[in-house]
Amino acid sequence: DQQVKQNSPSLSVQEGRISILNCDYTNSMFDYFLWYKKYPAEGPTFLISISSIKDKNEDGRFTVFLNKSAKHLSLHIVPSQPGDSAVYFCAARRNSGYALNFGKGTSLLVTP
Amino acid sequence: GAVVSQHPSRVICKSGTSVKIECRSLDFQATTMFWYRQFPKKSLMLMATSNEGSKATYEQGVEKDKFLINHASLTLSTLTVTSAHPEDSSFYICSARDSGTSSNSPLHFGNGTRLTVT
Repeated sequence: DQQVKQNSPSLSVQEGRISILNCDYTNSMFDYFLWYKKYPAEGPTFLISISSIKDKNEDGRFTVFLNKSAKHLSLHIVPSQPGDSAVYFCAARRNSGYALNFGKGTSLLVTP
Repeated sequence: GAVVSQHPSRVICKSGTSVKIECRSLDFQATTMFWYRQFPKKSLMLMATSNEGSKATYEQGVEKDKFLINHASLTLSTLTVTSAHPEDSSFYICSARDSGTSSNSPLHFGNGTRLTVT
């Protein structure tokens, strides 16, 4: 039962443009959402997070938007850089514990 | 920043043997660690929650006798894949949260272990 869904397996963006990665979730008990970046053969690296009481969180080139009514969040990267090329995982936490539920990931390719 | 060290990074073993994977928090204490498994082109699936000094909590469908978890100290959790079979071949990743931080602090992940059972 996939409670966190990333429906786009891949995305290609030109350097300097905006990358928008989308994520949907089904469990209304989730109260905290995170984005992780992952390179092959490595563990995920934390990127940015947002609490369910907020609708936006910004950190440098990365902004996460949360639409609770739609159970949707998105990660915006602007401007995109070739070094941003990686797999991005959306994750959500149940408020009953700290375990994270992950989406399947979106592979982002930023071309020069 | 917080570092989680996972060892080995890669292991090949024969069917029927057991493999132990270690997960260490290097510069923080972790009362809780999580073990995930990733299949090709799939998301990270939570296997179990490892609690220091007590029994691990396994997710539905994960055999606790197959995947033995020990969390004997605040900085070390181990996952032992017993009597490994080719279908156990996968990428195993551990994660930990710094016990000294707020509940909203992110989990830190190890670099994973690629297990291949021949």
